[in-house]
Amino acid sequence: GAVVSQHPSWVICKSGTSVKIECRSLDFQATTMFWYRQFPKQSLMLMATSNEGSKATYEQGVEKDKFLINHASLTLSTLTVTSAHPEDSSFYICSAMGQLYNQPQHFGDGTRLSIL
Amino acid sequence: KQEVTQIPAALSVPEGENLVLNCSFTDSAIYNLQWFRQDPGKGLTSLLLIQSSQREQTSGRLNASLDKSSGRSTLYIAASQPGDSATYLCAVSDNNDMRFGAGTRLTVKP
Repeated sequence: GAVVSQHPSWVICKSGTSVKIECRSLDFQATTMFWYRQFPKQSLMLMATSNEGSKATYEQGVEKDKFLINHASLTLSTLTVTSAHPEDSSFYICSAMGQLYNQPQHFGDGTRLSIL
Repeated sequence: KQEVTQIPAALSVPEGENLVLNCSFTDSAIYNLQWFRQDPGKGLTSLLLIQSSQREQTSGRLNASLDKSSGRSTLYIAASQPGDSATYLCAVSDNNDMRFGAGTRLTVKP
């Protein structure tokens, strides 16, 4: 089945550091990738949708300059949390969708980000 | 804007029981509905995907139904096991966007 690899799985860093999370589709071309955020005991919240070769579309309330998304190829999207602060600590999950109409999303295993 | 609600928020049952998890959504114009399982601190595992033209899908002890007109889906788990303990999320897709419910936290006691 389709596989999405997300890296790193866990990162701890100091406040003010920028952190990059990678999301790769390993065996299919993902025209669209999604980034989600999940706080403890809450559901996933969509942060942004990225289409290969174009700018990401951010959900209301998500800071574009804070969460930089790059979808430079059909197999890779990155999320960079710039100048991270403790309130950015969360679980981030990416998903990828193939080119055909009405395809399911395939999810990465998530990245747990802890900002000290 | 699509809203997805899951009831109950938490459920505890003894091993061997059959159980039903509920999901409702406000906009019936969906492409598909998906049920996921999430273990603590882990990513999502897709359990069942129902296309908008389908009424149900089955996989092993799991059966998911979809009534698009009433905006409801159920996930039926037969003969529950302690290993089924997890949070179950339903999500609906419309226009390439996916919206999640808050999940049902299931505990199956040995």
